[in-house]
Amino acid sequence: GENVEQHPSTLSVQEGDSAVIKCTYSDSASNYFPWYKQELGKGPQLIIDIRSNVGEKKDQRIAVTLNKTAKHFSLHITETQPEDSAVYFCAARWGFQKLVFGTGTRLLVSP
Amino acid sequence: DTEVTQTPKHLVMGMTNKKSLKCEQHMGHRAMYWYKQKAKKPPELMFVYSYEKLSINESVPSRFSPECPNSSLLNLHLHALQPEDSALYLCASSGNSDRPRSPVYGYTFGSGTRLTVV
Repeated sequence: GENVEQHPSTLSVQEGDSAVIKCTYSDSASNYFPWYKQELGKGPQLIIDIRSNVGEKKDQRIAVTLNKTAKHFSLHITETQPEDSAVYFCAARWGFQKLVFGTGTRLLVSP
Repeated sequence: DTEVTQTPKHLVMGMTNKKSLKCEQHMGHRAMYWYKQKAKKPPELMFVYSYEKLSINESVPSRFSPECPNSSLLNLHLHALQPEDSALYLCASSGNSDRPRSPVYGYTFGSGTRLTVV
């Protein structure tokens, strides 16, 4: 079935360190992989996404890598700041429209 | 306008009440979604509307009834809910494709309605 595994479930780093969150998906036909940041009391906010014809995408301090053969994709945040603290969800799209989320990673960046 | 607006932000209802959640977007997106999110869990898909037609129902109980009156609006009608239905209900929209069965990208979520059933 449709399944996205996400690790770690919690991640604590010091300000300025890098953070890496990893996801694995089950359906090799998936071809769209967004990442969302969710702050307390808010809806998920899209921070970066990648399509299957691309291996890596970067936007300032955030990058995403995709390994379609291994069905893995990862989020990399460099030079972390306290305001990066939030819950991060990976997701994969099944078919044309169905977006399935990973289990989430709570990132805590300490000053 | 790049937002999905949901009302109300908070709702408390009894198990015999009927209420509705509303969602609106003006991005020209032709796919709209309802997700349910329990505390410390990821959002779970409930319904998908594509071009104002219901395209996916994830086996949601009939006490939840979606409606898409036009391409900008999405409602979720609630009736005879249970306390375990208490959750954050998220609306999302995506896709500007002019073809109904083409892949969509760029899902935008609203801030949600925090529902408590008492």
